[in-house]
Amino acid sequence: NAGVTQTPKFRILKIGQSMTLQCAQDMNHNYMYWYRQDPGMGLKLIYYSVGAGITDKGEVPNGYNVSRSTTEDFPLRLELAAPSQTSVYFCASSYSGTGLKYFGPGTRLTVL
Amino acid sequence: LAKTTQPISMDSYEGQEVNITCSHNNIATNDYITWYQQFPSQGPRFIIQGYKTKVTNEVASLFIPADRKSSTLSLPRVSLSDTAVYYCLVGGGIMEYGNKLVFGAGTILRVKS
Repeated sequence: NAGVTQTPKFRILKIGQSMTLQCAQDMNHNYMYWYRQDPGMGLKLIYYSVGAGITDKGEVPNGYNVSRSTTEDFPLRLELAAPSQTSVYFCASSYSGTGLKYFGPGTRLTVL
Repeated sequence: LAKTTQPISMDSYEGQEVNITCSHNNIATNDYITWYQQFPSQGPRFIIQGYKTKVTNEVASLFIPADRKSSTLSLPRVSLSDTAVYYCLVGGGIMEYGNKLVFGAGTILRVKS
């Protein structure tokens, strides 16, 4: 069981560039989430999904898009990168109806 | 969403018991209380979850009084490797729980030798 995997681990973007952060889980979890964590702060929910084909906004969705075509994958898209999106991004998954979330190792993104 | 309040930081020494208290005055009837641990450059890791009274696992204990307006995470005999940020989360409803959890700033625990 690999758990929750994220790629890439690190990335530097220029302002205005776009990229996709990949997230996959092999635990057959229905729920998947994207969080961002700024230095010294707690995690903020960007988007979440309760199953394939179903996504919804979290606290800070502006500037991001998601899709969930399969149970396993939940990519996060940044269309026009801005310095304010410099952060560490964590993907997580959970079994429906519980609060137990498994987190990935994170992607450290810098926008210059 | 129930708001939580935790101390910003705590210091302890190896071998001591550490208790971190979280206040959640407006907790709802169907809310659960969950604690996570986060090491630098890693994602949070689930520690323990409870609804009322006391829950214990191999890592920690969680004490929840009858009014459920606070909870205390107890770490027995901490070691240097327990130095981390600890988050208290309160979430709404079994069916909604997964998507309603909000992370606060957490408590930075520093364990010294």
